[in-house]
Amino acid sequence: DTGVSQDPRHKITKRGQNVTFRCDPISEHNRLYWYRQTLGQGPEFLTYFQNEAQLEKSRLLSDRFSAERPKGSFSTLEIQRTEQGDSAMYLCASSAGLFTGELFFGEGSRLTVL
Amino acid sequence: ILNVEQSPQSLHVQEGDSTNFTCSFPSSNFYALHWYRWETAKSPEALFVMTLNGDEKKKGRISATLNTKEGYSYLYIKGSQPEDSATYLCALEGAGNMLTFGGGTRLMVKP
Repeated sequence: DTGVSQDPRHKITKRGQNVTFRCDPISEHNRLYWYRQTLGQGPEFLTYFQNEAQLEKSRLLSDRFSAERPKGSFSTLEIQRTEQGDSAMYLCASSAGLFTGELFFGEGSRLTVL
Repeated sequence: ILNVEQSPQSLHVQEGDSTNFTCSFPSSNFYALHWYRWETAKSPEALFVMTLNGDEKKKGRISATLNTKEGYSYLYIKGSQPEDSATYLCALEGAGNMLTFGGGTRLMVKP
């Protein structure tokens, strides 16, 4: 399967712990996006990369959040000192970077902070 | 800032019913409008990408229209089936292919 993969699919952690999510995009896609979705809401944009460069960050992305895409391939999203409000589905998507084109999403990583 | 509203929030229909949902937006300052289907425990899947006023797209029993002048898009499902049960997301594409999503319409089709 050459789709977008995310790991782990589910993560339960205690408040104050750090968590890291990994995303492997479709191999030829140069753009990679992170979104967050909470219950009853649509996905909210967090950040995106063009190759290894992080080009845009949402104001939703507090200092506790950091994302990297070190070699322009896979990406990681780390949340430090988790809070209960961080509980959400974290979605990764990639695109070929065309003028307009669909995003290909992974199945998401669901975070529950106790 | 792109603003996207979807209605209704949820919808229950019987198998065989036809249904439609609305995506509305106050500004036409975007590159494309996307519709995605998101089934439980799966990844969101693109249905349509529309760019021009008056665009109409069709895939099987599902179709969509775009009216950028009046600020809305409709998604139609003809003869709903239980496998159509999902959340349908509308999104506006800005620079960098970034999508701004609406809150979604959750469709439940009863057999």
